[in-house]
Order: sequence, then C-alpha cells, then structure tokens
Amino acid sequence: DSGVTQTPKHLITATGQRVTLRCSPRSGDLSVYWYQQSLDQGLQFLIQYYNGEERAKGNILERFSAQQFPDLHSELNLSSLELGDSALYFCASSVGAGGPSPTGELFFGEGSRLTVL
Amino acid sequence: GENVGLHLPTLSVQEGDNSIINCAYSNSASDYFIWYKQESGKGPQFIIDIRSNMDKRQGQRVTVLLNKTVKHLSLQIAATQPGDSAVYFCAETRHYGGSQGNLIFGKGTKLSVKP
Repeated sequence: DSGVTQTPKHLITATGQRVTLRCSPRSGDLSVYWYQQSLDQGLQFLIQYYNGEERAKGNILERFSAQQFPDLHSELNLSSLELGDSALYFCASSVGAGGPSPTGELFFGEGSRLTVL
Repeated sequence: GENVGLHLPTLSVQEGDNSIINCAYSNSASDYFIWYKQESGKGPQFIIDIRSNMDKRQGQRVTVLLNKTVKHLSLQIAATQPGDSAVYFCAETRHYGGSQGNLIFGKGTKLSVKP
C-alpha cells in the first residue's frame, strides 16, 4: 500500500459527459501528480500541484483541469469526454516540489479506470 | 484488475534465471533515472534509481546500469522469481537541473517468469 488513495477505482460514462477523479496523497506529501496511462501512449504526465499551486503542466488537454485543495487532496476534472479519454488515471505524490523524493520515489495510487462509451 | 494491455515488448524467462530489461531514454539533459514495476491492477512501484554521475547501482537482487554515451539504461534482476512478473518502466527526469522533475516514462517491458 503506497498510502495514496484514489477514487473511484472504476468509472463508466458516456461521451460528452464530465467526471471528477479524486486523490488523497500520502500523509506529509505536498506534491500531487496526475498521469494518464492509455493503450497507445503509455504513462503520460498531465499536471503537478505543490501545496495548492500548479507547479508543472504536461500533456494535459484543455478539456481537463485539476486543483489541489488546502487539505492537499487533489481532483482531476475531465469534461466533454471522448472515446479516446478511456484510460487509467494515476495520481502520485512526493514530499517536495522538485519531483521524486530524495529516496527517488513518486508514490503512486492504484489508479482510476475510466471507460468512455 | 489488469494492466491497460499495452502492446509491449515481452521478455520471458525461466524462474531462477537472470533477467535484463533495456531502455533507451530520450533526453541527454536527464540526470536522474528510475525503474518502476507495475503489477497487474496496481500503480507503478519504485524499484531502484540512479543519478547521471554514476554508471551502476545495486539493490537487492536488482542492478541498474547507465550508459550516458548511448542514452541507455538497463535493469538486471538476479534469480528471477514468479513474483517479478510485471511490466517494468524506466523513467527519466531532470531532477537536479532546476526543472520540476516530472518523470518521463518509457513504453515499458512485460516480464513473464515461467515456473
């Protein structure tokens, strides 16, 4: 158990809809990262938040947005969903802002599997 | 649960044999590399890391080799066990270069261990 909690584990929705994925980081971790794992693209970095502020942005679509709340949990909002958005969405956390912790670890949750029909 | 079913290179080894998983990384400015293991239905899990000022690092049953000249990384697993069956990803980042240190993952290799 990594200590990172993601909900829901599975989500099935229709094209055009909007969903919210939730992540609670490990206790004490200030950074939250979102990654998308799809069939053809592998693990792709979407966005990072550190202590409530956006820190880095990767290949995140404009239809997607995220935020980190004062209690450090984070939500990833996916809107106007398309079939191609079907993927596993992982949240990871680390202690600092600069990426992996001194021990080299990003701690990943078990993912939210999104299926868009 | 299951992995997303990526069309991945697959390495099949006999239990007890050594495994070598290779990775070519993309950014010559990357200075920190990590190997992750992803078991079916789970998120990636840290195995071992190496900084660019090293060319070899050993852990428990695992060794990572880094060749910066050809931008190549390898993971060696000694005495491979059925529990080692998973998808293995290399990841790179500019951890000490002032960037945010976000990981860029390789495509992954599926390791299958035959009992």
